[in-house]
Amino acid sequence: QSALTQPASVSGSPGQSITISCTGTSSDVGGYNYVSWYQQHPGKAPKLMIYEVSNRPSGVSNRFSGSKSGNTASLTISGLQAEDEADYYCSSYTSSSTLGVFGGGTKLTVL
Amino acid sequence: EVQLVESGGGLVQPGRSLRLSCAASGFTFDDYAMHWVRQAPGKGLEWVSGISWNSGSIGYADSVKGRFTISRDNAKNSLYLQMNSLRAEDTALYYCAKDYSSGWFDAFDIWGQGTMVTVSS
Repeated sequence: QSALTQPASVSGSPGQSITISCTGTSSDVGGYNYVSWYQQHPGKAPKLMIYEVSNRPSGVSNRFSGSKSGNTASLTISGLQAEDEADYYCSSYTSSSTLGVFGGGTKLTVL
Repeated sequence: EVQLVESGGGLVQPGRSLRLSCAASGFTFDDYAMHWVRQAPGKGLEWVSGISWNSGSIGYADSVKGRFTISRDNAKNSLYLQMNSLRAEDTALYYCAKDYSSGWFDAFDIWGQGTMVTVSS
């Protein structure tokens, strides 16, 4: 069981918007702004999409945005495109004995 | 070009040891914390271990604490993971990842392609 909870799958049609949630506790997501999101295509290394809750690295499309409310962080992808189909993982710093935690991952299907 | 290249993976028997290496290039290695993240076949990502820029702060996942040791050599731009008492559940693709900031734990902005570790008799 992963420390952070994500839906196993989400789907949307091209052009639509989707949101992926990432629920933790006050010891991780709710207590710190070190929440990040990663995109992983099959057979590829993960790619950083969002860092520190809502910041986009250079080169990442502004269709990707992040937010946080309480113990739940969210990744929103607007204007869905076929190439967005991938697995998405959230991650957070944690004050528990394990320094870092990931969510179980969400498979995004673009219909 | 910013790059991380892992090596050292392979097939190993349960209870044996293995040492992974990660060679960094294209950035000032000793400015950043570094991490190991693994992914079992068909499964999600798991943070394994992290080390600050000067090795002053080190952390491990509970699942590997006491068995794995992370280290770095800033003069050689290299990160290492010594894995002892390996178990079948350690079978995974091991990624080396650079921390985004100069702090201790922020996000992982650069990833290698991974090195596969298979623990089996």
